[in-house]
Amino acid sequence: AQTVTQSQPEMSVQEAETVTLSCTYDTSENNYYLFWYKQPPSRQMILVIRQEAYKQQNATENRFSVNFQKAAKSFSLKISDSQLGDTAMYFCAFMKHATQGGSEKLVFGKGTKLTVNP
Amino acid sequence: DAMVIQNPRYQVTQFGKPVTLSCSQTLNHNVMYWYQQKSSQAPKLLFHYYDKDFNNEADTPDNFQSRRPNTSFCFLDIRSPGLGDAAMYLCATSRGWGGNQPQHFGDGTRLSIL
Repeated sequence: AQTVTQSQPEMSVQEAETVTLSCTYDTSENNYYLFWYKQPPSRQMILVIRQEAYKQQNATENRFSVNFQKAAKSFSLKISDSQLGDTAMYFCAFMKHATQGGSEKLVFGKGTKLTVNP
Repeated sequence: DAMVIQNPRYQVTQFGKPVTLSCSQTLNHNVMYWYQQKSSQAPKLLFHYYDKDFNNEADTPDNFQSRRPNTSFCFLDIRSPGLGDAAMYLCATSRGWGGNQPQHFGDGTRLSIL
């Protein structure tokens, strides 16, 4: 079974600075997807960024980028120029590549609560 | 405009009294999911539908059931809620299977048991 570990329950950063959230996972699969989801207080969870394991290039979405180390099974999220609106719970998640006719589920880590301070 | 809508946002029920949580979507997605998220824990998948095909996770308690009467709506029924069922319940949708089909989440329903 796949597991996802986020070792930082809480983090804080000053506005405009950069912060990195850690995530490691355990799997015997070779093809899979990794995700970072953001869940602001009392608001819906939204997808921040996605990485396909067969792609060596790290995914980037504006101020959000990942450092994907497949051999180390590490998938960290870097947030540059942090903004107050980045305050949220961040979940790292894993999904196996779906086989034909099959379904695969998201496996989430426990989350990191990020606070951006003014 | 909200695309995955969960009602109500907060639900209080009594120990053992059946309760139903509602989810609707305007995305016309094929797949709908229900997750349970307890405090300080990761969301845990309970079950999902692909169209009308129901898929139950092996460790989902029998106390939890679901209905999907049409594409737009999906319900979570808890037959006899216990104190351990107090949690946030998240509904999500996706167009299809797989990691290239992102899941869209609702705001969640926070369930309290008295």
